[in-house]
Amino acid sequence: KAGVTQTPRYLIKTRGQQVTLSCSPISGHRSVSWYQQTPGQGLQFLFEYFSETQRNKGNFPGRFSGRQFSNSRSEMNVSTLELGDSALYLCASSLEFIQDRGEEKLFFGSGTQLSVL
Amino acid sequence: GQQVMQIPQYQHVQEGEDFTTYCNSSTTLSNIQWYKQRPGGHPVFLIQLVKSGEVKKQKRLTFQFGEAKKNSSLHITATQTTDVGTYFCAGRDNYGQNFVFGPGTRLSVLP
Repeated sequence: KAGVTQTPRYLIKTRGQQVTLSCSPISGHRSVSWYQQTPGQGLQFLFEYFSETQRNKGNFPGRFSGRQFSNSRSEMNVSTLELGDSALYLCASSLEFIQDRGEEKLFFGSGTQLSVL
Repeated sequence: GQQVMQIPQYQHVQEGEDFTTYCNSSTTLSNIQWYKQRPGGHPVFLIQLVKSGEVKKQKRLTFQFGEAKKNSSLHITATQTTDVGTYFCAGRDNYGQNFVFGPGTRLSVLP
C-alpha cells in the first residue's frame, strides 16, 4: 500500500501570495488532518476532515483553509502569506473518524516545506 | 484550551543508558499516542494507550498511561543510537474535539 503522499515537497513563496498544498491519504483512509510544524512551536493542529466534512479546527486564522474531496484527497490553502507561515506542513491520514471508537493511528506524509520570503 | 506538556525538552544520554520522557495533559484524554520523528523525517506512530493505568511494552520501550488519563510516560531501556529522534505524545480530549501534540522530547544518544 502506498503511503500518504504530499505535494509539492518544497515551495518558496513571497509575502502576500497564496499557496495550495495537496495530500493523498492511504487508500481506504477517510480521515485526513493537517499540522504545522515549526522548530519553536512543535506540531500544531490545523484541521481535520472526514468524509468531506471538517470535523475539527485548530486555532489558526481564517487565512488557513482546507477541504476534502470525495476520494478523500485533501488540500489546504493559505492566503496572504506571512513570513511566520514558513513551516513544514504535515498531512496525516487515518482509517476512520476516531471519536466513535476511541482508537486512532495517524500515518504522516513527508510534508511540504514552505518558505515565505 | 487543552494543553499537553512534555519533559524534558532535550535529553542527552550515553548509549546503553535508560531514557524516560513524561507527558502531561491539562485535561483528561480519551487516548494517548506516542510518535517518533527522526531528524529530517516525519512522525511515525509508535503506540496508542486507551485504558486508565495501561502499560504496554515494545521490546526496549515501555509506555504507561496514568490512572487519571492525564499523563503518560515512555521509557527506553539501554538506549541505542537508532533511538535518536524526537518523541511526541499526542492525545484527544474526552470531548473528541481537539487532537493535541506535546512539544516533544529530543533524544540524543552518544555512542
